[in-house]
Formats: sequence, C-alpha cells, structure tokens
Amino acid sequence: SQQGEEDPQALSIQEGENATMNCSYKTSINNLQWYRQNSGRGLVHLILIRSNEREKHSGRLRVTLDTSKKSSSLLITASRAADTASYFCATVGAGSGGYNKLIFGAGTRLAVHP
Amino acid sequence: GAGVSQSPSNKVTEKGKDVELRCDPISGHTALYWYRQSLGQGLEFLIYFQGNSAPDKSGLPSDRFSAERTGGSVSTLTIQRTQQEDSAVYLCASSPTGYLGYGYTFGSGTRLTVV
Repeated sequence: SQQGEEDPQALSIQEGENATMNCSYKTSINNLQWYRQNSGRGLVHLILIRSNEREKHSGRLRVTLDTSKKSSSLLITASRAADTASYFCATVGAGSGGYNKLIFGAGTRLAVHP
Repeated sequence: GAGVSQSPSNKVTEKGKDVELRCDPISGHTALYWYRQSLGQGLEFLIYFQGNSAPDKSGLPSDRFSAERTGGSVSTLTIQRTQQEDSAVYLCASSPTGYLGYGYTFGSGTRLTVV
C-alpha cells in the first residue's frame, strides 16, 4: 500500500522557474526521503529528512517537513531542462519494526521546458 | 561493484513460463530490497533482505513469487508460471545496513513483459 501521496501528479514549468512538489503521508514516520527517476528506470536518492528536522537543503533542492500536518515539500529552484523527471517521496514508518523499509508515493512528473 | 547491477535489463517471456531476475548489490551493503513498478505508478514493496535472511516478505503478491539471497550478496527473484499482470519493472536497491536513516541505491531495473 502507498503511504505517500504526491501533489500535483504532473507539473510543467519553464526553465529558470521554481518547482514545488508536495507529499502527504498517513502514519507517523522516522524519516522521509525524496527520489528522482528518469525514464522509468532506476531511482536516485536526493535527500533524507528526519522526523525531528524541519528543513534541509542540498544545492538547488530545499525540503521541508511538517509532522503535525503529515506533509513534506520539495522545492527545486532555478529549474533546468535536465531536471525533467519523476519525483517520489518515500517514508520509513515509525512502526516499521526498526528497519529501513521505504514506502513510496505515486510520484510527480515534472517537465521543464527550455 | 560501484553500483547496484540488475540483469537482464529487459525480459520478454510467454505466459506460464518461469523467470529469474538477478540483483548484485553494492559490495558490503547488508540490506537489499525488491520493488515492483507498474507503468506510470509508484513503487510497490516486495521483499527485504538483511544478510541472507528475509525478515519482511510481506509484499510478495502470491506464492508464485519467491526470492533468495546467497553469501550476503547476490539476490534472485523468481516468478513461476508468469501471468500478464506480472508485467512491470522490477527494481532492486541496497543500503549499507537495514537500520533506519539510510537512503537506498537503486539498480536500473528489469523490465518484464509477459506475452
């Protein structure tokens, strides 16, 4: 079953604009991660934010986490055509049995136009 | 190896045949995971290995699906008597341990088509 729900399902923007994707989840988490997938194949880990953190940055990426609302957002600033991909949030539940089992959402398809 | 390697990258099989999908994780990674992704969908968890044991196989869809891992390294996912609904991309990932707080490294997947 999917834990996370991404919003929007699809996003189309121009190069240079910022892209914001949102993720909501249902149960308490230990951490939340964002992944990127090109062309429907392997996923690349972007960033991990723990339940006691509120914001993290990595290059042009900014992730926020609001545990009271059970939601997270991924912001990509100054987008490039090469950012075109699907982006997934994934959560490790607080009751996961203590191991690192990720549950993925359905993803947001981002298209960045030159 | 430098990354997670999966083979074959593509597999077309006839309905009713058995298939084996292989995953070679990053050397030293004790945790290994199999996921399945249908067209345009998110990832569906199948099974988790810690070393050679599988503490969580709750995502395997039916008893036609099985997986093993040997030597704490290579894993094989076997699908017996394949059905058309088994068509999907099968993704393998590994992480340094099964403990919390690590990201996964994914392979490029095996695209399985059952005709």
